[in-house]
Amino acid sequence: DIQMTQSPSSLSASVGDRVTITCRASQNINLYLNWYQQKPGKAPKLLIYAASTLQGGVPSRFSGSGAGTDFTLTITSLQPDDFATYYCQESSSPLFSFGPGTKVDFK
Amino acid sequence: EVQLVESGGGLVQPGRSLRVSCAASGFNFDDYAMHWVRQSPRKGLEWVASISWNSDRTAYADSVKGRFTISRDNAKNSLYLQMNSLGGDDTALYYCATDPLSYFGSGNYFRYWGQGTLVTVSS
Repeated sequence: DIQMTQSPSSLSASVGDRVTITCRASQNINLYLNWYQQKPGKAPKLLIYAASTLQGGVPSRFSGSGAGTDFTLTITSLQPDDFATYYCQESSSPLFSFGPGTKVDFK
Repeated sequence: EVQLVESGGGLVQPGRSLRVSCAASGFNFDDYAMHWVRQSPRKGLEWVASISWNSDRTAYADSVKGRFTISRDNAKNSLYLQMNSLGGDDTALYYCATDPLSYFGSGNYFRYWGQGTLVTVSS
């Protein structure tokens, strides 16, 4: 099974900050990496799929990069609506492992 | 507008069974693969099961294989998860989610999610 790790597990940031979250897979998953945002009491929301493709309606301040085993989610200018938990997910095999999440809260 | 509404959750004793459902609307349900994902404080987000558009292919997480069965009724725009031999580790919020593809394998992603139905396994 593919194991997904994320770092950091949490971070504190201010509005306007550039935020970077890293996701690592235990083996090569090519570009099969998705990112989700989850707010308290809500279902996860798809942000990015195939490592760097923005889901429709997602603001352009979100971007994804990486390939193979190392991936990054970047928020270029953090907005109040972005305080949430972010999860990566691999989709290279039908096991769809999720990372443990990164919580972004207000500094 | 895509809507996914889960139902059927509740309190169930260890060893018993429960079936949760997901009613879909706002898209061509029978064109797409579907998934169940669960979330608990202890395990986080965990993929549970997937089914292809025409039910000819299913897949399960090792933690539920042999106990859970995913199914769908395209005529009713509904997805189901039959859960048998439930244990405490199955306590979670269960979400259904859509896929943009008809089959699953690689390159899938969970495009739309319901709000979840809570399953609590306890005596």
